[in-house]
Amino acid sequence: GDSVTQMEGPVTLSEEAFLTINCTYTATGYPSLFWYVQYPGEGLQLLLKATKADDKGSNKGFEATYRKETTSFHLEKGSVQVSDSAVYFCALSRGNTLLVFGKGTRLSVIA
Amino acid sequence: DVKVTQSSRYLVKRTGEKVFLECVQDMDHENMFWYRQDPGLGLRLIYFSYDVKMKEKGDIPEGYSVSREKKERFSLILESASTNQTSMYLCASMDRQGPWYGYTFGSGTRLTVV
Repeated sequence: GDSVTQMEGPVTLSEEAFLTINCTYTATGYPSLFWYVQYPGEGLQLLLKATKADDKGSNKGFEATYRKETTSFHLEKGSVQVSDSAVYFCALSRGNTLLVFGKGTRLSVIA
Repeated sequence: DVKVTQSSRYLVKRTGEKVFLECVQDMDHENMFWYRQDPGLGLRLIYFSYDVKMKEKGDIPEGYSVSREKKERFSLILESASTNQTSMYLCASMDRQGPWYGYTFGSGTRLTVV
């Protein structure tokens, strides 16, 4: 079945460091891919998305490129801030309604 | 500001109790979802609904049921709460255009069963 695998956390970085959170997927067909973020005490929010191969999603300085050949959608940010501390979830679409989420990666950024 | 509201932020219930978790959305969305979130397991889909009075089982429906009598409200029911149902429960909604436009999540209900 469809699934998403994310790198295990927690990831701890100093402010202004480069961030990569790896995400790979297994799916039949051509799913859309998403990154969601969950700040402490809140629900998940859509961070960025991509619908087809080589599409790049971007938002708030975060980027991810849909790589069909490696079935990956890695999240990157050039310079993280303390306010980026959160849990990040990679997800893929299943059919027209459902999202399949990864297990989440906790990011802690220290000043 | 559009939103999904979950009625309780924290809930403590006893083993064997019948528990209702309520979720209301104000976006006129057709689709609503219940997930549970556990450390190391991520989000797992319990039930979803694509219309009033319609429901579909997700990946882990055992021990749960749902009710959707009105479009804006989707209730999760634990018929007889057990300690292994201690978890964070997240409700979400999505309009008919599909997941490309994103799910809108509530802030969650942290349920403890003692």
